[in-house]
Amino acid sequence: DGGITQSPKYLFRKEGQNVTLSCEQNLNHDAMYWYRQDPGQGLRLIYYSQIVNDFQKGDIAEGYSVSREKKESFPLTVTSAQKNPTAFYLCASSKSWIGELFFGEGSRLTVL
Amino acid sequence: RKEVEQDPGPFNVPEGATVAFNCTYSNSASQSFFWYRQDCRKEPKLLMSVYSSGNEDGRFTAQLNRASQYISLLIRDSKLSDSATYLCVVNTAGNTGKLIFGQGTTLQVKP
Repeated sequence: DGGITQSPKYLFRKEGQNVTLSCEQNLNHDAMYWYRQDPGQGLRLIYYSQIVNDFQKGDIAEGYSVSREKKESFPLTVTSAQKNPTAFYLCASSKSWIGELFFGEGSRLTVL
Repeated sequence: RKEVEQDPGPFNVPEGATVAFNCTYSNSASQSFFWYRQDCRKEPKLLMSVYSSGNEDGRFTAQLNRASQYISLLIRDSKLSDSATYLCVVNTAGNTGKLIFGQGTTLQVKP
């Protein structure tokens, strides 16, 4: 079945550690996105990519990094520079920049 | 002013009621608009795209008002299963692919 797979689903990290969240899609979509959601809040855009080897910062990119070396993959690294990383992270893809977003099931990161 | 704004609610309505949500956006160059539904601790799922001419899907109607820069979602004959958070999504920056979510409106339908 086609879809988006995020891993891990749950992740615990100690302060000061970097962590990488995986996002893979087999929908042949060009655009991919990373959002962060905090309790009771909407989704905030971290990074997005419309094409392989290209990505742009969203509204809250500080403390995060991404790469887009393959069309199917858009991993997100939460660095130690991110002051408050505990959140629900959602990866999405769309066929084009005006298209419907398809989401993965999300990754819950907790910093201890 | 936020790029995309919604009234967070919560909206508490009885079964069978009609309820409407609005979502305003700041960039007049925005070209695509969507409503998503999110259940507690789950990923958002597309409810409807919003077209210039308005569109309807069963009990749900979405409309776009470009002059006033808002989109709306009308739910008729509310069901208990409609209880969720409704998120509007707007492409806020022309053709750069920046899809921005509103903070969501929570709907609670009571028996």
